[in-house]
Amino acid sequence: EADIYQTPRYLVIGTGKKITLECSQTMGHDKMYWYQQDPGMELHLIHYSYGVNSTEKGDLSSESTVSRIRTEHFPLTLESARPSHTSQYLCASSEWEGPLTDTQYFGPGTRLTVL
Amino acid sequence: KQEVTQIPAALSVPEGENLVLNCSFTDSAIYNLQWFRQDPGKGLTSLLLIQSSQREQTSGRLNASLDKSSGRSTLYIAASQPGDSATYLCAVRSNQFYFGTGTSLTVIP
Repeated sequence: EADIYQTPRYLVIGTGKKITLECSQTMGHDKMYWYQQDPGMELHLIHYSYGVNSTEKGDLSSESTVSRIRTEHFPLTLESARPSHTSQYLCASSEWEGPLTDTQYFGPGTRLTVL
Repeated sequence: KQEVTQIPAALSVPEGENLVLNCSFTDSAIYNLQWFRQDPGKGLTSLLLIQSSQREQTSGRLNASLDKSSGRSTLYIAASQPGDSATYLCAVRSNQFYFGTGTSLTVIP
């Protein structure tokens, strides 16, 4: 059973506020990911990490930043939220055993609305 | 860049019917293909993973096939139940994971 948690589950916030979306996993996975998902659209990779002190940007340009100070924790921060940031944000992790069997475990997501 | 397409976008069937969901991808250089299930407002749950050298995988009432050379996969659901209602996403693992937009399935009691 995968254990990956995201908080908050829902967030409504005004324009210009700084927010941090939390993601934690208890499986000891080295690889973690952040995806953005709009209704009816595919998941877009915005950030990923291969381990502590490793962070990379994904394909989708994002104004957010991430950090990976501890293996289990991969928070995403928006310095100044805008209505265009309204979306669902999904965090995932994977245990690297090679690409053939690489799969991802997802958290429940954070639904962000910026007014 | 890898593109993943799922057809149909939505499907509604009566309970008990067998059904097939389709997934196609543009670049056959993949390591694996996976089918995920997503319930409303929730994250994704992996259902089946097919490695690039495999042709199919089965789990209970689910059977997924892979034809890598033609860039296609199908998810077959036998004897559908209302609890199968969800969005089903296909994802391919090449240099990263690429996801389709999903098929929204409704099984009518």
